[in-house]
Amino acid sequence: EADIYQTPRYLVIGTGKKITLECSQTMGHDKMYWYQQDPGMELHLIHYSYGVNSTEKGDLSSESTVSRIRTEHFPLTLESARPSHTSQYLCASSERRYSAHTDTQYFGPGTRLTVL
Amino acid sequence: ILNVEQSPQSLHVQEGDSTNFTCSFPSSNFYALHWYRWETAKSPEALFVMTLNGDEKKKGRISATLNTKEGYSYLYIKGSQPEDSATYLCAFSTDSNYQLIWGAGTKLIIKP
Repeated sequence: EADIYQTPRYLVIGTGKKITLECSQTMGHDKMYWYQQDPGMELHLIHYSYGVNSTEKGDLSSESTVSRIRTEHFPLTLESARPSHTSQYLCASSERRYSAHTDTQYFGPGTRLTVL
Repeated sequence: ILNVEQSPQSLHVQEGDSTNFTCSFPSSNFYALHWYRWETAKSPEALFVMTLNGDEKKKGRISATLNTKEGYSYLYIKGSQPEDSATYLCAFSTDSNYQLIWGAGTKLIIKP
């Protein structure tokens, strides 16, 4: 059982609000990821981190920002939510900093965001 | 643009029958291929990671094969059970890219 948590699980919010999606892992993993996924579509990497104080943008352009002040915590923030941000957001972690292409990724349960 | 294709998109299988589906990826600069299972209302869970051409991995009734030269992997499920109902995702990486590129998945529904 993976120890990676996301809150909230579901969020319905109005346009223009600032939101933070929380992700925490207790496995001491170096690398963490945020993916965005729409129904029936691929997981798209929007942000990742190699470790504390490291954040990188993924392949999919995103208006969100992330921070990694502590190893276990990797929150994602949207400064001003829009209906186009409606999606499922999955957080994941893997053990080693530079071996992500073979390391297993452990996923949280996801946050389903709806922006009205 | 690197792309992963999974087929079919969805599949209905009678309980007890065996089934298989495909993941296709660019064969150049291949490094690793992953399979994950994602049950409804749960988190995706890793099944296999394969790196070598001809690799074959097995976990219970589920097995996978890898052909890196032609750029495909098959996932096989023998004697399908209701608990096998899930979306099966594959993802690959190249030797120049540390990130995984994901397919859209094959949604498997087992009919009792």
